[in-house]
Amino acid sequence: DADVTQTPRNRITKTGKRIMLECSQTKGHDRMYWYRQDPGLGLRLIYYSFDVKDINKGEISDGYSVSRQAQAKFSLSLESAIPNQTALYFCATGGSAQETQYFGPGTRLLVL
Amino acid sequence: DQQVKQNSPSLSVQEGRISILNCDYTNSMFDYFLWYKKYPAEGPTFLISISSIKDKNEDGRFTVFLNKSAKHLSLHIVPSQPGDSAVYFCAASARDSNYQLIWGAGTKLIIKP
Repeated sequence: DADVTQTPRNRITKTGKRIMLECSQTKGHDRMYWYRQDPGLGLRLIYYSFDVKDINKGEISDGYSVSRQAQAKFSLSLESAIPNQTALYFCATGGSAQETQYFGPGTRLLVL
Repeated sequence: DQQVKQNSPSLSVQEGRISILNCDYTNSMFDYFLWYKKYPAEGPTFLISISSIKDKNEDGRFTVFLNKSAKHLSLHIVPSQPGDSAVYFCAASARDSNYQLIWGAGTKLIIKP
């Protein structure tokens, strides 16, 4: 079984809809991250969490919110989706500051 | 303003030869650098890292070189194998920003038979 899972893997939605992307991990890591990747760009950090009670904004948090339901679960919500949120979204986990981040397989989101 | 730049979107190398992927950065506070590899339909996977106190780190066929004065790092793969065909991302982090990773845009490496 994969250490970091993301659901759904693919999603098509319409402008204005609220959607949630979910991430679960079995690595026992405290740190979890949400990134988005756009063509021709590297990954950009949306939100990150160092533990259940700690949530931090990343580089591009506008239009997104997150919830850390448990150590193993970190969900990303788009409150009112817009077309420029069409992207590939990755969840990642890490054990400590410099420790390697482990990524899920990604969710491909299309906002029409 | 991109703090981490990978100026080659793609690179084609003959199997068995050396692949050299380059990365430049602008933030002198970066003190930890990583390379990740990504296959289609998968998330990035960690490949190799280097701290700013070193100028070289080697792991099997993979070696990362860091030139702090030039703000440049490179990944060498020797010998290149077909399974090395993937997108390679350079990422950098700094202690004063909680080691948040700043990513380059990636270089697609194609290994030709």
